[in-house]
Amino acid sequence: DQQVKQNSPSLSVQEGRISILNCDYTNSMFDYFLWYKKYPAEGPTFLISISSIKDKNEDGRFTVFLNKSAKHLSLHIVPSQPGDSAVYFCAASVGGGAQKLVFGQGTRLTINP
Amino acid sequence: DTGVSQDPRHKITKRGQNVTFRCDPISEHNRLYWYRQTLGQGPEFLTYFQNEAQLEKSRLLSDRFSAERPKGSFSTLEIQRTEQGDSAMYLCASSFVPRGTDTQYFGPGTRLTVL
Repeated sequence: DQQVKQNSPSLSVQEGRISILNCDYTNSMFDYFLWYKKYPAEGPTFLISISSIKDKNEDGRFTVFLNKSAKHLSLHIVPSQPGDSAVYFCAASVGGGAQKLVFGQGTRLTINP
Repeated sequence: DTGVSQDPRHKITKRGQNVTFRCDPISEHNRLYWYRQTLGQGPEFLTYFQNEAQLEKSRLLSDRFSAERPKGSFSTLEIQRTEQGDSAMYLCASSFVPRGTDTQYFGPGTRLTVL
C-alpha cells in the first residue's frame, strides 16, 4: 500500500530554469508534508515543509504547493542550480511532523549546465 | 548543534551474525526515529522513541530487531541472526517536540551489507 507516490523516477532540467517535482498521496489523514533532498552516501536533508492548513509555503528558491482536494503536492525550485542535482523525497505525516514519516520513492533531479 | 551522528557508517557481516548500530541525536531532541532504506525506495519507518519510551514499532520490525534508548539520549538498533534481506541503509532522525509539528533531522546512515 503505497500511500505516498512520486511517479517520476527522474527529471532533467536546464540550469536557471524551473524544476517542478510532484508527489501524490492517498491517505486523507495526512496533515503535514515535507520535502527532503538526498545526496549519495548521505542522510536526507530537510528542505521545506507545509501544514495542511496552508496551500503554499516559500523559502528562498523553494516553494511547496499543496492541493488537498487532489491529494497532490509539488516542489518548485527557481532558478535551478547545479548543486540542486540530487534525489528528492516527499514525505507525509499524520498528527504533524512529530509522528512517523511516510516517504515516496524519490525523484532524481539532474540540473544540466 | 553538531547534527545527528551514526556509528558505524558501514558494516559488512556474514549471514547469521548479530550487529548493533548507534545513533546520537541532536542534543536536547526528545524524539528519535529509526528508518530503513533499500535501493530505489524511500526510507521506511521502523520505530521511534520519546525520551526513553518506545512509542511505536512498525510491523517491519521483526522479533530479530530490537531498539533501545536507555537514558533518553543515544539509541541502539540491534539485528540478531542477520539475513541477506536485512542489507539496507539504516537511518536515524531526531526532533524536538513540545507539541504540534516539528521537523525530523536525519543522520548520515549506517549501510549494512549481509553476505
